[in-house]
Amino acid sequence: EVQLVESGGGLVQPGGSLRLSCAASGFTFSDHYMDWVRQAPGKGLEWVGRTRNKANSYTTEYAASVKGRFTISRDDSKNSLYLQMNSLKTEDTAVYYCARGMRGWSRYYYYYMDVWGKGTTVTVSS
Amino acid sequence: SSELTQDPAVSVALGQTVRITCQGDSLRSYYASWYQQKPGQAPVLVIYGKNNRPSGIPDRFSGSSSGNTASLTITGAQAEDEADYYCNSRDSSGNHPEVFGGGTKLTVL
Repeated sequence: EVQLVESGGGLVQPGGSLRLSCAASGFTFSDHYMDWVRQAPGKGLEWVGRTRNKANSYTTEYAASVKGRFTISRDDSKNSLYLQMNSLKTEDTAVYYCARGMRGWSRYYYYYMDVWGKGTTVTVSS
Repeated sequence: SSELTQDPAVSVALGQTVRITCQGDSLRSYYASWYQQKPGQAPVLVIYGKNNRPSGIPDRFSGSSSGNTASLTITGAQAEDEADYYCNSRDSSGNHPEVFGGGTKLTVL
């Protein structure tokens, strides 16, 4: 069964740090781009960032709201994705999802996230 | 603010057809993907690419695109289709590499 399981969420004070993990199983993790998406309470989905696969040099991209504070990494030997979050702000409070990325081309490029974890909750509060 | 614009709420009578739209300049160059999210659950992919459905998604869900607008159509809406729907695409503005629309709350009457 293809599965993603996030962990590492919790309560942290503003300015603090937290590291989220995402364990993948049931597919060849190393082949895939992987994304982090978050959802603040009562709000919509917000894309956080992405890591590409080894064939694409593990390059990363980030949303402007987290760039310079968050770092995405992966360990293909452990089928794991990570999100290091530093200098946390109250507005980072959200459920954080990891998702498997897929790409395609049909006149236009397209990217989609076809497998999602259940999410882990991060609360930034004093 | 989102670079993809969706109507906040749409309603449809049971068994009727509803179209949920997503507007943005990036949609002239990239196809959108569509996600369904029910309360307390993770998002689920329902449409990707030109008009592709993942395995397990009913064929009443379809997608289309024209100019700067992508659309998700549900033909013969069912009670279980009541959910939030989000579009997603690459962002061509340069502000954010990837972006979600603000979401549309679909109510099935």
